[in-house]
Amino acid sequence: KNEVEQSPQNLTAQEGEFITINCSYSVGISALHWLQQHPGGGIVSLFMLSSGKKKHGRLIATINIQEKHSSLHITASHPRDSAVYICAVRGRWYTGNQFYFGTGTSLTVIP
Amino acid sequence: DVKVTQSSRYLVKRTGEKVFLECVQDMDHENMFWYRQDPGLGLRLIYFSYDVKMKEKGDIPEGYSVSREKKERFSLILESASTNQTSMYLCASTHRSSYNEQFFGPGTRLTVL
Repeated sequence: KNEVEQSPQNLTAQEGEFITINCSYSVGISALHWLQQHPGGGIVSLFMLSSGKKKHGRLIATINIQEKHSSLHITASHPRDSAVYICAVRGRWYTGNQFYFGTGTSLTVIP
Repeated sequence: DVKVTQSSRYLVKRTGEKVFLECVQDMDHENMFWYRQDPGLGLRLIYFSYDVKMKEKGDIPEGYSVSREKKERFSLILESASTNQTSMYLCASTHRSSYNEQFFGPGTRLTVL
């Protein structure tokens, strides 16, 4: 069973395109995280959301708690955005506050 | 400003060897986690710890053990390495509060021959 589902699994875009990555989850959560992983392994946190919308530069993350859905948008995509984007949720106390991860979306932005 | 470090970036071991992977964080976090990451499967939790000397099994603890003798250090032990334990291993830490982000180490790519 997958508590977190992401789509698409793979995405190729031309530089400058608007990109959307979707995440759906099935557990009660205290927060949702969007993570970025570049080749070589290191993972960094982009956003942590418990409601509404957050923006950081060209990145925008939204969450709809009622629908258990989140989206990550990248405006004016650039080749340096090429990475794997991972959606993760932190379950509520009755799950042991555990993290659940999607399998990731591999994004390639072509110049 | 390195916050979570792992003892090795790449490691090659032979089947049957005992393997130690060490993780150190400098943020005074209570919670620490060990994950493995495999293509198509995403991150899977091996073990986590809420405090010194406390440990809880994750989703895939078989073949692994952990040790947390000091708050800043969380070690993953492969008692007898097998080829199916070839993977990327990632350590992470977070504050006890549910509303804090998780910080990841750079990862250790382990190959068992």
